[in-house]
Amino acid sequence: LAKTTQPISMDSYEGQEVNITCSHNNIATNDYITWYQQFPSQGPRFIIQGYKTKVTNEVASLFIPADRKSSTLSLPRVSLSDTAVYYCLVGSVRDSGGGADGLTFGKGTHLIIQP
Amino acid sequence: ETGVTQTPRHLVMGMTNKKSLKCEQHLGHNAMYWYKQSAKKPLELMFVYSLEERVENNSVPSRFSPECPNSSHLFLHLHTLQPEDSALYLCASSQDIVSYEQYFGPGTRLTVT
Repeated sequence: LAKTTQPISMDSYEGQEVNITCSHNNIATNDYITWYQQFPSQGPRFIIQGYKTKVTNEVASLFIPADRKSSTLSLPRVSLSDTAVYYCLVGSVRDSGGGADGLTFGKGTHLIIQP
Repeated sequence: ETGVTQTPRHLVMGMTNKKSLKCEQHLGHNAMYWYKQSAKKPLELMFVYSLEERVENNSVPSRFSPECPNSSHLFLHLHTLQPEDSALYLCASSQDIVSYEQYFGPGTRLTVT
């Protein structure tokens, strides 16, 4: 499994755009990049997934450069309710017998949004 | 509301007790998972089920015993737990085990006394 590195914490203000970068230097060819959000005492929530270039949905955008050794989660115009822990995960599907390598969560980035 | 429910939400049990955690998904998914989240530690994958068959067991102590009677229900049977087993236990489901889009339940906050 590719190891990921992300900042332990970040601060921002309401209405700002927030970019959280994740490093994954050992990403493999078959690996996808997935981001989850978790509020205290709740289960993580899937935000976005991508393989290369840019992916956008109603919640966020994910930017992946050509070498795929890093990725950036972009949250537009954050609000107080975006305060949460954000996890970057990198993994792939096993070829033999199917089955995911499993979601390996790191410590994530604790994002704090202030008024 | 993610379509995955867990009961109970909170559980306090002694080390000699036997209890069970229940998870139910209403999403028609084929894969279900148990995770453990201890304070200040990353989420740990415990068990993976695909179409009611266990496909992964990450060296979890035998005092944790999973059961998947059908693709919608998942149980975690607990017996003779230790205080260090106190944690948030999360259930998740996905369309299949090749999907990284997992839907998590709210979790059961377990305290072992």
